[in-house]
Amino acid sequence: DTGVSQDPRHKITKRGQNVTFRCDPISEHNRLYWYRQTLGQGPEFLTYFQNEAQLEKSRLLSDRFSAERPKGSFSTLEIQRTEQGDSAMYLCAGRRDNSYEQYFGPGTRLTVT
Amino acid sequence: DAKTTQPPSMDCAEGRAANLPCNHSTISGNEYVYWYRQIHSQGPQYIIHGLKNNETNEMASLIITEDRKSSTLILPHATLRDTAVYYCSRSNDYKLSFGAGTTVTVRA
Repeated sequence: DTGVSQDPRHKITKRGQNVTFRCDPISEHNRLYWYRQTLGQGPEFLTYFQNEAQLEKSRLLSDRFSAERPKGSFSTLEIQRTEQGDSAMYLCAGRRDNSYEQYFGPGTRLTVT
Repeated sequence: DAKTTQPPSMDCAEGRAANLPCNHSTISGNEYVYWYRQIHSQGPQYIIHGLKNNETNEMASLIITEDRKSSTLILPHATLRDTAVYYCSRSNDYKLSFGAGTTVTVRA
């Protein structure tokens, strides 16, 4: 158990709908990361928070994507006007400031029909 | 994005050592090498990391070449539960850059 939970684990939505995913790390995880993983590929970095501040966003994060970590604890990732190409596993990872390890949650698998 | 290169798959006999190679020829001086593994339907699990020196922990050993352009993860005594996709990645402190990984199948 990594201490990082994600909800929901699976989401099926129709093209054009908005979806929101939640990540809950443990309180010691000052740093929080979002990654996207498509079938047969390794995870790709999306964005990174240090406490509540979003410090880095990948060019993969189009204008339809937004992430928040309002109180420096849980985080949400919202995708607006979903497209079939958004179908993927969305992974969240937490990390302590004085540690090199990122602890991944189980992921949210999104299917856009 | 800078990534890593790994063989797509490899088999290993149970109880034998598994040596997983990784090429990261464009790695920067401040980037660490990380290894994670992923079992189906789970998030990646941290194994080990290193900068220049060889490292060992309870799970594995990491051998990094002197020029840091490649590395090898060694699972000393593979078990059936080690069957997974193994990712070699690199990090400049915040984001991890993964390749496509090696699917390792441990056979009895």
